[in-house]
Amino acid sequence: DTGVSQDPRHKITKRGQNVTFRCDPISEHNRLYWYRQTLGQGPEFLTYFQNEAQLEKSRLLSDRFSAERPKGSFSTLEIQRTEQGDSAMYLCASSLPQGSLNTEAFFGQGTRLTVV
Amino acid sequence: AQKVTQAQTEISVVEKEDVTLDCVYETRDTTYYLFWYKQPPSGELVFLIRRNSFDEQNEISGRYSWNFQKSTSSFNFTITASQVVDSAVYFCALMDGSSNTGKLIFGQGTTLQVKP
Repeated sequence: DTGVSQDPRHKITKRGQNVTFRCDPISEHNRLYWYRQTLGQGPEFLTYFQNEAQLEKSRLLSDRFSAERPKGSFSTLEIQRTEQGDSAMYLCASSLPQGSLNTEAFFGQGTRLTVV
Repeated sequence: AQKVTQAQTEISVVEKEDVTLDCVYETRDTTYYLFWYKQPPSGELVFLIRRNSFDEQNEISGRYSWNFQKSTSSFNFTITASQVVDSAVYFCALMDGSSNTGKLIFGQGTTLQVKP
């Protein structure tokens, strides 16, 4: 296992289209996070899964956004009816459970979305 | 509310100079964790260090050192004898220890440019 993997790395889409991103976490990590990073800013938390359960969603996650982790392994993030303001880097991270010796999050390389 | 402030937007140094990146945080929690991540141009956030709120010992790892001071709510990062490969965006982040989600609150980042 070489780390957190995200696909695609880049996506250009027209406004109004739907897009879906995939994240494959480190295999033994049961926690998975999605963050959004706009230019010149730090990542902002979007949502978090523990196994297949989505336990927290940020107010940033409008009803056009939906995330799933159906079998507690990979996760998808879908954005419906994309808007230009959705243009950003979408980062996925995974970690061991709280209370583990090492709980730091490991990040993927991100999916850069451009909405034109 | 939790907040992380990295007041330095960009720093430029010449190779072999020492450089300190500042981080100030705000939290009402008594248990929390502080992190530093490096983001090279490839986009992946690379974990550098985690420090919990009960451990104020400074840490050194090779050319990197961290100074944690609860009295001033700061967690500064120093690179000694900087190298061109250190050029990246560096993020300081805060995780509260009470919510059990593991989500990170990031600062805005400091872009470090090391010139040969």
